[in-house]
Amino acid sequence: GAGVSQSPRYKVAKRGQDVALRCDPISGHVSLFWYQQALGQGPEFLTYFQNEAQLDKSGLPSDRFFAERPEGSVSTLKIQRTQQEDSAVYLCASQRVRSTGELFFGEGSRLTVL
Amino acid sequence: KQEVTQIPAALSVPEGENLVLNCSFTDSAIYNLQWFRQDPGKGLTSLLLIQSSQREQTSGRLNASLDKSSGRSTLYIAASQPGDSATYLCAVGSLDYGQNFVFGPGTRLSVLP
Repeated sequence: GAGVSQSPRYKVAKRGQDVALRCDPISGHVSLFWYQQALGQGPEFLTYFQNEAQLDKSGLPSDRFFAERPEGSVSTLKIQRTQQEDSAVYLCASQRVRSTGELFFGEGSRLTVL
Repeated sequence: KQEVTQIPAALSVPEGENLVLNCSFTDSAIYNLQWFRQDPGKGLTSLLLIQSSQREQTSGRLNASLDKSSGRSTLYIAASQPGDSATYLCAVGSLDYGQNFVFGPGTRLSVLP
């Protein structure tokens, strides 16, 4: 595609519900990142994929967070039993080549947990 | 642990002024640095990417410099316009931190007409 696409753009969940956020990266991009951004702060790293392999998940805040990229293209970030502190914007970025390539971001998914 | 700071946190200037935004990082073992702008409620738009072997990059009215040894990068915006109003973030790609990019908190810029 022309750019990184994320859906849904906005999600309101009741505390305890499960949510799934989708990222469709730029076609052919090898690397895919998920970031969490709180209001007024810079993005915080969650996890990284190279093709279908999840090479780094050190930023996932708890075992309620799970990400996958089964065919090396579309990725899904799943949050189980959502809590109020999970409210944030979740940003997806893709990169054509490892390490030195430019990062391209989607518009983000804004999650509000009530 | 790589830490990235940005000064100032917020900046307000009249239209037409030249301005400089600063980004500092603690670990100089980086492979690149990227500057982004973020408009309210939007994702990040890439402005400039500087590889570790480069000293600066230019795009239109924007010029970014990199001094790895001192752990600093600056983003220079010439002849600022109201449309430049946004939050500007720098992100550092560090060799010792896998594929992770570490972001600064951003500088919120307002250009007044």
